[in-house]
Amino acid sequence: RKEVEQDPGPFNVPEGATVAFNCTYSNSASQSFFWYRQDCRKEPKLLMSVYSSGNEDGRFTAQLNRASQYISLLIRDSKLSDSATYLCVVKGGSYIPTFGRGTSLIVHP
Amino acid sequence: GAGVSQSPSNKVTEKGKDVELRCDPISGHTALYWYRQSLGQGLEFLIYFQGNSAPDKSGLPSDRFSAERTGGSVSTLTIQRTQQEDSAVYLCASSLDNRMSSYNEQFFGPGTRLTVL
Repeated sequence: RKEVEQDPGPFNVPEGATVAFNCTYSNSASQSFFWYRQDCRKEPKLLMSVYSSGNEDGRFTAQLNRASQYISLLIRDSKLSDSATYLCVVKGGSYIPTFGRGTSLIVHP
Repeated sequence: GAGVSQSPSNKVTEKGKDVELRCDPISGHTALYWYRQSLGQGLEFLIYFQGNSAPDKSGLPSDRFSAERTGGSVSTLTIQRTQQEDSAVYLCASSLDNRMSSYNEQFFGPGTRLTVL
């Protein structure tokens, strides 16, 4: 089993839709969780951290389920500009974070 | 302020040649990472530098790959005797110290797109 797994997609949704991605991780000792966003042919950029109690940033909501070892990202009222690849990042006791392969989102008019 | 910069942005080379890729991290960032990303793939960790400590080279795919970080700042990734499978985007990231259990955001450079013919 890979350390961090994501459905590569693509998720193809209309503007205004709500879409959710999951990311599973194998190391139960993982401590920190994040979502990065990567636009086509660009570098990844931090989207948001994922806190144990769940957290929200505008249209984006991130949640952590430690029992089932997954994190999720929910995007409400999708915009065309949300089209990108969303990378799940997990960090345990090591100083080297592990990146998932990413989930591709395409928002169409 | 200035972000992470990488040079060159694109590099085309012939199989068997050596290449050097450069990364200038954000000033004050003690942690520096190199990753490789092939088309449609995730980020593959290559090497990690933290201050003056010995680097973590556990991700380097072969002994043709090496990296240095001079003065705790600029880093150079060298690939000797390049092969076609080395073609990828090489990304550098820097952050504050990540040895603690918390996480400091990694800031990525724009990458170097390497094509080996």
